[in-house]
Amino acid sequence: DTGVSQDPRHKITKRGQNVTFRCDPISEHNRLYWYRQTLGQGPEFLTYFQNEAQLEKSRLLSDRFSAERPKGSFSTLEIQRTEQGDSAMYLCASSLSVREPQHFGDGTRLSIL
Amino acid sequence: AQKITQTQPGMFVQEKEAVTLDCTYDTSDQSYGLFWYKQPSSGEMIFLIYQGSYDEQNATEGRYSLNFQKARKSANLVISASQLGDSAMYFCAMREYLYAGGTSYGKLTFGQGTILTVHP
Repeated sequence: DTGVSQDPRHKITKRGQNVTFRCDPISEHNRLYWYRQTLGQGPEFLTYFQNEAQLEKSRLLSDRFSAERPKGSFSTLEIQRTEQGDSAMYLCASSLSVREPQHFGDGTRLSIL
Repeated sequence: AQKITQTQPGMFVQEKEAVTLDCTYDTSDQSYGLFWYKQPSSGEMIFLIYQGSYDEQNATEGRYSLNFQKARKSANLVISASQLGDSAMYFCAMREYLYAGGTSYGKLTFGQGTILTVHP
């Protein structure tokens, strides 16, 4: 049973650069979530996909952030013109239905120099 | 708005002893779910246990049990027979049911976490 997979595990980049993260959910899960976790805090909701449709975006998701799930399978999260405050762990989760637990990937840790 | 409070920044327990991690929540919804996740230093979030707001019995999963007191809005995690591998950050989370695009989804709100250290 393959879990949620995220790539890369770590990303170090200079301020102002663009970065893209990938999430592969559990294969039969049609619901996909992105969360952001800063140091010492719990994760915070960013956005939600059902199949290929992005149905909800948090106010945390500024216009520099864009997420896609083109064929309802994997998802990408892109951050343009990165800033120091973007340094965080970006977590992806998927679930089979609204009532099932969300299963998380290992996360992508982003560090902005 | 949903709110989760974990008042214990850190807890220590001796190996093989039981430990209780506290969690209180605030919501005006009647239907919600409560979760506990474990996050080791490597970063992955591991689902441990779930309690639905309408479940009358406390949830149990192996050495984990959830002490659900609805009137007090608390959902404490009890770990029995602690093991060294239990040392990690533990998060309590609440799922609220929201609607978008004509369908419902579950948004998780997390507490700030409790760092558990198990001593040999």
